[in-house]
Amino acid sequence: KAGVTQTPRYLIKTRGQQVTLSCSPISGHRSVSWYQQTPGQGLQFLFEYFSETQRNKGNFPGRFSGRQFSNSRSEMNVSTLELGDSALYLCASSFAGRGQETQYFGPGTRLLVL
Amino acid sequence: SQKIEQNSEALNIQEGKTATLTCNYTNYSPAYLQWYRQDPGRGPVFLLLIRENEKEKRKERLKVTFDTTLKQSLFHITASQPADSATYLCALPRNQAGTALIFGKGTTLSVSS
Repeated sequence: KAGVTQTPRYLIKTRGQQVTLSCSPISGHRSVSWYQQTPGQGLQFLFEYFSETQRNKGNFPGRFSGRQFSNSRSEMNVSTLELGDSALYLCASSFAGRGQETQYFGPGTRLLVL
Repeated sequence: SQKIEQNSEALNIQEGKTATLTCNYTNYSPAYLQWYRQDPGRGPVFLLLIRENEKEKRKERLKVTFDTTLKQSLFHITASQPADSATYLCALPRNQAGTALIFGKGTTLSVSS
């Protein structure tokens, strides 16, 4: 089975632009979560989707948004980029979205905002 | 608010020794705790999950303990090898439902031969 894939792997943007990142979960998995990882803050939860519905949301501003499609693929969007948005963005998938399930992380998208 | 602390940012040990990593949490009573491994430039990889009613769990050379009174988990790697060098993260559920996790900042383990 193919693992979680994320595209693009690397991205350079300038302040004020917007960006869309994509995540394809493992086949059959219906839950996708997104995390931001920075050296200072570590891994921080952004949001979780299950069967196209946002189930949990982290403490990030409204510039961060996401969605999930009927095939479970997910996208996250960051509008009006700021320098502090430079980070590794990771998505994770699980089969049924239950708390004690194993989550499988993708390799991440490294975003650099100049 | 919930808080997780991994006591050491870095841990250096010699090959063959046992590495012990600590995870403490406050303001929380989690139903389970997870440990992940992350290599540079890669996403975290799940290692072990331990539930609140389990004191200890083992998988090959890995052992995790969970003390809900002390609000602490210990992660042990026995007979450590250079290939065990990585950052190890502990994680707790953010709330009762769903898969959202709160992560510690990690401990970077270096095993020298």
